[in-house]
Amino acid sequence: AQSVTQPDIHITVSEGASLELRCNYSYGATPYLFWYVQSPGQGLQLLLKYFSGDTLVQGIKGFEAEFKRSQSSFNLRKPSVHWSDAAEYFCAVGARRNRDDKIIFGKGTRLHILP
Amino acid sequence: DTEVTQTPKHLVMGMTNKKSLKCEQHMGHRAMYWYKQKAKKPPELMFVYSYEKLSINESVPSRFSPECPNSSLLNLHLHALQPEDSALYLCASSQRPLAGSSYEQYFGPGTRLTVT
Repeated sequence: AQSVTQPDIHITVSEGASLELRCNYSYGATPYLFWYVQSPGQGLQLLLKYFSGDTLVQGIKGFEAEFKRSQSSFNLRKPSVHWSDAAEYFCAVGARRNRDDKIIFGKGTRLHILP
Repeated sequence: DTEVTQTPKHLVMGMTNKKSLKCEQHMGHRAMYWYKQKAKKPPELMFVYSYEKLSINESVPSRFSPECPNSSLLNLHLHALQPEDSALYLCASSQRPLAGSSYEQYFGPGTRLTVT
């Protein structure tokens, strides 16, 4: 069965520092992978996605992620975080049930930014 | 336009009330979703509509009744809810995928529901 693991429940970094959020997935075929961000009380915003091709994908707000099939990982990175990046980050894998689509979310990583 | 709108933003209802949540998208997407999200948890899928037909019901109690009147609109009718149903209810939509295409979901801002 498909699953997503985000090992870090909370991450704290200083403003201006680099960031890496970890994500591991379990899926029998080539996965569709996503990173979403959620600010408190808000909906989810898609940061980036991977379906095929170049394993380093660029997203919005200066984020990037690298797909590593050998490690079943899809880690999110940003070279320099801003205070506005404080939010909940969800890694997700696309799965198909019957002929319809589901997204399976990880439990999320809460990012805290120190001034 | 990649916007999914949801109304109302906040809803407080008693356990005997009947209310409805509304979701709308004008991106031509043919798949629409309802999720429930409790605090500090990921969204949990409730229902999937594909081409206006209910295709997935994740064993949701019957006090939640979805409806898809047309390809742009999705409703969630609520009746006799329990306090534990208090949560953020998120709507999302995606293109009905063809083989080999992507199917990212676009989310609305949610309705914060409180059941008293």
